[in-house]
Amino acid sequence: GESVGLHLPTLSVQEGDNSIINCAYSNSASDYFIWYKQESGKGPQFIIDIRSNMDKRQGQRVTVLLNKTVKHLSLQIAATQPGDSAVYFCAETGTASKLTFGTGTRLQVTL
Amino acid sequence: GAGVSQSPRYKVAKRGQDVALRCDPISGHVSLFWYQQALGQGPEFLTYFQNEAQLDKSGLPSDRFFAERPEGSVSTLKIQRTQQEDSAVYLCASTRTSGGGRTGELFFGEGSRLTVL
Repeated sequence: GESVGLHLPTLSVQEGDNSIINCAYSNSASDYFIWYKQESGKGPQFIIDIRSNMDKRQGQRVTVLLNKTVKHLSLQIAATQPGDSAVYFCAETGTASKLTFGTGTRLQVTL
Repeated sequence: GAGVSQSPRYKVAKRGQDVALRCDPISGHVSLFWYQQALGQGPEFLTYFQNEAQLDKSGLPSDRFFAERPEGSVSTLKIQRTQQEDSAVYLCASTRTSGGGRTGELFFGEGSRLTVL
């Protein structure tokens, strides 16, 4: 079936550096994308979303980029902090109300 | 609190036992979702409610899984005759709008971790 996946299972970055987490999706009907952060023992937490009529959206220290041509989504975190250490999931919806999640990327922030 | 509340947080069941997992969504939230998250994996959709109506149950893995939301607020996920492969974290999420996951952020609970021995 169609799915959302990630290129890298684990990303290690130094504190203060920028992080880029990538996601590839295969459902061409997807028109709404969300990034979630999940800390150990907790539920996923909304970070930022983007609709298919946009190619970039910025939040506080985070930016999401969407390339519909190659079905690619990325999350950029500026000045990565130890508190950013978590597993990050991209998720998408097409015509259904449910979200389809990818398998996740673990971000490790080193001091 | 003001968030999505799930109980129990941890449940250990013997194979063959029935379990019930409860979700208290944020007050007034119309849409409610159940997801199953296996260790090291992303959440997998189970079912979706809009108020008391179960609009999508395509993700329920077998007829041993049953969910309800009789009054459009609290929801219960029931698993009958549990099997070891049912071991996972069961996440509940809600959102205030009727468009479900398409219209904004889902607020997730911390999940119920089920271990079937």
